[in-house]
Amino acid sequence: DSGVTQTPKHLITATGQRVTLRCSPRSGDLSVYWYQQSLDQGLQFLIQYYNGEERAKGNILERFSAQQFPDLHSELNLSSLELGDSALYFCASSGGLLAGGTDTQYFGPGTRLTVL
Amino acid sequence: AQKVTQAQTEISVVEKEDVTLDCVYETRDTTYYLFWYKQPPSGELVFLIRRNSFDEQNEISGRYSWNFQKSTSSFNFTITASQVVDSAVYFCALSEDNYGQNFVFGPGTRLSVLP
Repeated sequence: DSGVTQTPKHLITATGQRVTLRCSPRSGDLSVYWYQQSLDQGLQFLIQYYNGEERAKGNILERFSAQQFPDLHSELNLSSLELGDSALYFCASSGGLLAGGTDTQYFGPGTRLTVL
Repeated sequence: AQKVTQAQTEISVVEKEDVTLDCVYETRDTTYYLFWYKQPPSGELVFLIRRNSFDEQNEISGRYSWNFQKSTSSFNFTITASQVVDSAVYFCALSEDNYGQNFVFGPGTRLSVLP
């Protein structure tokens, strides 16, 4: 158990809908990262937050948004869903910044999103 | 643009063999960061290592070792005396800066270790 929790584990929805994925980092970790893994695109980095602030942005679509709350949990909002958004969405956490620190990055089990 | 190439799509070895997974990267930056991740058949992702471009020392962690060579833009990963539990997809990744900006993954190498 990595200590990172993600809910829900599975989500099935229809095109055009909006969903929210939730991530709770390990206790004390300040950084949260979101990744998308799909058959077409492979693994992609979406976005990173550090202590409530956005610090790095990857291939995140405009239809997607995220935030990190004062209690450090994070939510990834996906709207106007398309078939191509079907993927496994991973959240990870670490104590500090990803690249500059020495902390290990811990991953949650992922949320599998299916858009029908 | 940044790019990571893992030319080996799939590798199969017999248990106890040594195996090297290749990673070649492209970047215009002088400062960058390299990573390896493991994704076992169960699907979770596991962080293995982070290395910055100023540190070319090779790293060893148990049966795992990493060879970073700036001259060839490579960051190869070797598993010594492989075990069945090493069977997984391994991803190499590159980040442009301290915050993980312009973070790109390679396509992954699927390693099967046969008993």
